[in-house]
Amino acid sequence: QSVLTQPPSVSEVPRQRVTISCSGGSSNIGNNAVDWYQQLPGKAPKLLIYYDDQLPSGVSDRISGSKSGTSASLAISELQSEDEADYYCAAWDDSLNAYVFGTGTKVTVL
Amino acid sequence: EVQLVESGGGLVQPGRSLRLSCTASGFPFGDYSVSWVRQAPGKGLEWVGFIRNKVLGGTTEYAASVKGRFTISRDESKGIAYLQMNRLETEDTATYYCTRARYCTNGVCYPFDYWGQGTLVTVPS
Repeated sequence: QSVLTQPPSVSEVPRQRVTISCSGGSSNIGNNAVDWYQQLPGKAPKLLIYYDDQLPSGVSDRISGSKSGTSASLAISELQSEDEADYYCAAWDDSLNAYVFGTGTKVTVL
Repeated sequence: EVQLVESGGGLVQPGRSLRLSCTASGFPFGDYSVSWVRQAPGKGLEWVGFIRNKVLGGTTEYAASVKGRFTISRDESKGIAYLQMNRLETEDTATYYCTRARYCTNGVCYPFDYWGQGTLVTVPS
């Protein structure tokens, strides 16, 4: 059971915007940076956002991240079929002394 | 081009050992920390542990679920990181990914900006 909670799934039609939430606590999101990873079907995960809102080189600017208190969010604008994937938030947890991943969210493009 | 290639996975009986290798190329291996992440079939991602870079002493941290059973090491001369897994359990069945940690801050190393393709370890019941 992860300490970072995400909705199991979200869906939206193409060209719309989806937001994925990640809820944690004071020992993880509340005190450390949040990262987001995308995992396409059958592929290795890919870093999408780091340090709450930073985009790695090569990641589409349709992707954005934010954090407030003990929650974080990932937004994907102008949704495309290629965005269908599983998305995971992650953060260091000071109490567990571990890097924890969220429960994961499956994004479906209708 | 940064590359991480895992090898060594396979079928192993409960209680036995297995060593995974992660061969790195395309970047100064000694400057970066390496982390292992696993994913059980159909499940989410689970951090296994990391080994810090040379400057930080090459020390390690582990998840509670593997602490005392798994050991991460690195060979700087070969550019290879290892995951030694002892006393394997059925719950250790997963695809194991080797990753590069982009930064280390206060000794904690993440995020993971490059990932290998993964290697499957199966521990049958």
